[in-house]
Amino acid sequence: SYELTQPPSVSVSPGQTARITCSGDALPNQYGYWYQQKPGQAPVLLIYKNKERPSGIPERFSGSSSGTIVTLTISGVQAEDEADYYCQSADSSGNYGVIFGGGTKLTVL
Amino acid sequence: QVTLRESGPALVKPTQTLTLTCTFSGFSLNSIGVCVSWVRQPPGKALEWLALIDWDDDKYYSPTLKTRLTISKDTSKNQVVLTMTNMDPADTATYYCARTTGGYDASILYLDQWGQGTLVTVSS
Repeated sequence: SYELTQPPSVSVSPGQTARITCSGDALPNQYGYWYQQKPGQAPVLLIYKNKERPSGIPERFSGSSSGTIVTLTISGVQAEDEADYYCQSADSSGNYGVIFGGGTKLTVL
Repeated sequence: QVTLRESGPALVKPTQTLTLTCTFSGFSLNSIGVCVSWVRQPPGKALEWLALIDWDDDKYYSPTLKTRLTISKDTSKNQVVLTMTNMDPADTATYYCARTTGGYDASILYLDQWGQGTLVTVSS
């Protein structure tokens, strides 16, 4: 089955840049998507189609893609950005559906 | 304004069937490209996609759970229903429904609006 791999945790100081990666063999041919989930809350779509930002999402959140890796970059990290981040793509194993990565806990030091 | 709300039992017994309802507003499930997904999240664990129903009433399921899941829609009521049979304590999770954007490009598939989720505990 198809999998997306994320680092379990990333730590960054306030004001610095955080980068969270997501790797998957099919990502060269599939869009990547990113969600933010704060404790006790539902996920929120941050990035769609690798690099597009929905309205209302701050500009400090950006996405990029290179080969089998998609990356979420948070510039000028703020304390409020501490959350879990999930990447997602469409399943490319022959089953139409959604695949999530295992999630990355971002800690703001 | 798009809203989704999950409803269903908070507690089910092992072997029982779970029925969850997603009631939504602010969009039509008859519009091309519009779908609704169900996703679950066990306490402290990652998101897991369960099922999706699209504007054309096509249904798609997680390969690992498809024998236990049924998704359906009632567009007149703006509702999507998920049933999961043979519940087990390992199915204890928060269950979310989410508006999902899809289309004829199979790589465009993402969840752009989520409900608040409902916690389902499986215990005797």
